[in-house]
Amino acid sequence: NAGVTQTPKFRILKIGQSMTLQCTQDMNHNYMYWYRQDPGMGLKLIYYSVGAGITDKGEVPNGYNVSRSTTEDFPLRLELAAPSQTSVYFCASTQGLNNPVLTFGAGSRLTVL
Amino acid sequence: DQQVKQNSPSLSVQEGRISILNCDYTNSMFDYFLWYKKYPAEGPTFLISISSIKDKNEDGRFTVFLNKSAKHLSLHIVPSQPGDSAVYFCAPSQGAQKLVFGQGTRLTINP
Repeated sequence: NAGVTQTPKFRILKIGQSMTLQCTQDMNHNYMYWYRQDPGMGLKLIYYSVGAGITDKGEVPNGYNVSRSTTEDFPLRLELAAPSQTSVYFCASTQGLNNPVLTFGAGSRLTVL
Repeated sequence: DQQVKQNSPSLSVQEGRISILNCDYTNSMFDYFLWYKKYPAEGPTFLISISSIKDKNEDGRFTVFLNKSAKHLSLHIVPSQPGDSAVYFCAPSQGAQKLVFGQGTRLTINP
């Protein structure tokens, strides 16, 4: 049982490049989330999804896009990478409405130079 | 506007003693409060939680206390062990949909 799997673990981008962070969960969870964590800060919600085909913005969505075509996958797209997007990104999931306990992936460290 | 504050960035405790981590919040609509533990290069892992209808929840060495009138919660770890050295985040939620994370407290347990 892999839980929540994120790829890649590390990536360096140049300013203006684009990339996709992949997230897959095998727990049949309906709810999935993307957070970013900056040094010395808590996790901030970027986007979330309550099921396939449904996504919504979190606290810091600018510069990102998401899609949810299947229950298992929730990729995060960065368009025109900027140094401000240098961060550690965490994907998480939970079963549903009455369960706030999230299961997190190991994180993806992104550096934009 | 920080809804959740963990005012101590770091805490150092001797092995075997009690560790107390604090968290303050401003949103009175939060109805569920979670604590997560994070080791370096790993994702956060769920530790313990409490709903707003309770004022205490205990799980082994870990106890969470909630004071709704003061909008304050705390995590007690006793006795503290070296494996407890990690960053701890409090994360209240409203309606179980979106957690709001504090900045974290780095706990170091000294032998």
